[in-house]
Amino acid sequence: DSGVTQTPKHLITATGQRVTLRCSPRSGDLSVYWYQQSLDQGLQFLIQYYNGEERAKGNILERFSAQQFPDLHSELNLSSLELGDSALYFCASSPRDSLLLSGANVLTFGAGSRLTVL
Amino acid sequence: DAKTTQPPSMDCAEGRAANLPCNHSTISGNEYVYWYRQIHSQGPQYIIHGLKNNETNEMASLIITEDRKSSTLILPHATLRDTAVYYCIVRVPSVIQGAQKLVFGQGTRLTINP
Repeated sequence: DSGVTQTPKHLITATGQRVTLRCSPRSGDLSVYWYQQSLDQGLQFLIQYYNGEERAKGNILERFSAQQFPDLHSELNLSSLELGDSALYFCASSPRDSLLLSGANVLTFGAGSRLTVL
Repeated sequence: DAKTTQPPSMDCAEGRAANLPCNHSTISGNEYVYWYRQIHSQGPQYIIHGLKNNETNEMASLIITEDRKSSTLILPHATLRDTAVYYCIVRVPSVIQGAQKLVFGQGTRLTINP
């Protein structure tokens, strides 16, 4: 157990629907990161939050949005789902802010949420 | 986005040392090199990181060349459970000024053979 909790573990839904994935960071970590991994693909960085504020952004689709709440948990909302959105979605957390350009920043990953869009 | 180059696959015999190379020739002076691995479809697992000096922990050793343009991850006594995709990563700037993001490349698929 890495200390990063993701729910649900598995989710099956239909095209056009909307889902919410939830992540609770490791105790003491203020940053949350979201990654997408499609079948046999690498991990694609989506977005990062630090203490409730958006900090870094990857190639996140406009149909996707995320937020980090005051209790530091984060949610990734995926809407108007398409078949191509089927993937593993990983959340990671770290104690540091990516705006700190010096020093190491080690991420701890959760077990992922597997989304299947039919 | 990826600023690292790794061989797509490697094989190693069980019990032998696995040496995984990574090229990061554009790394800047204050950037760390991180290594993670992903076993099947599990969440990536942190292994080790380093800046200039060689590093060792309970999982692996990290050898960084003096010019910092490449590094090698060493698993001293590989077991079947070390079969995984290994990622060598450096941070890249994000669209938000001053922010950085951790971008994964394709990694090296390491297979440990009995």
